[in-house]
Amino acid sequence: QKEVEQDPGPLSVPEGAIVSLNCTYSNSAFQYFMWYRQYSRKGPELLMYTYSSGNKEDGRFTAQVDKSSKYISLFIRDSQPSDSATYLCAMSLMNTGFQKLVFGTGTRLLVSP
Amino acid sequence: SAVISQKPSRDICQRGTSLTIQCQVDSQVTMMFWYRQQPGQSLTLIATANQGSEATYESGFVIDKFPISRPNLTFSTLTVSNMSPEDSSIYLCSVVYQETQYFGPGTRLLVL
Repeated sequence: QKEVEQDPGPLSVPEGAIVSLNCTYSNSAFQYFMWYRQYSRKGPELLMYTYSSGNKEDGRFTAQVDKSSKYISLFIRDSQPSDSATYLCAMSLMNTGFQKLVFGTGTRLLVSP
Repeated sequence: SAVISQKPSRDICQRGTSLTIQCQVDSQVTMMFWYRQQPGQSLTLIATANQGSEATYESGFVIDKFPISRPNLTFSTLTVSNMSPEDSSIYLCSVVYQETQYFGPGTRLLVL
């Protein structure tokens, strides 16, 4: 079993839709939870990170962590064609912080005009 | 933010040869990281490179196959040695800068 599971997609939605991207994990010791966006032929870029359970909002993006269920989500409101990319969840332990990240396989999102 | 460049951006190599990938960052950083991203698989950490000390390799990766240099605080190289088709992948370097891990654009390697 992988430490972090993520549906690879692709997930196809029309412009303006609300998108829900999810990851599950098995290691209850993970403390930091991140979402990266990766455009084709580019490196991943950090979208958001959260520490502990709860919600965090940044513009059209909301990150949600449920540590009791070992489940994290990224919601994108009013999705745009420019949101078309692969979204990677990543996690790390308290003592490694932002260093040793464990990634999901990524979900490819396609937003059609 | 930290801006990272990698060279080459892509290469096609013959099996049995070696390729050295360069990573340059525009800020001084203590740690640099090398990842591998294979099709359909998650980003996997190969090793952590600290300036002035030996690199630390993750389980499944060895120095003879992936030697790393870290001559200063802004530069690192990763060599993929004695390549086989299974080494075909994207190799990315990254740094932690101000509580964010930044990634380079990656080097696409195809081994024939």
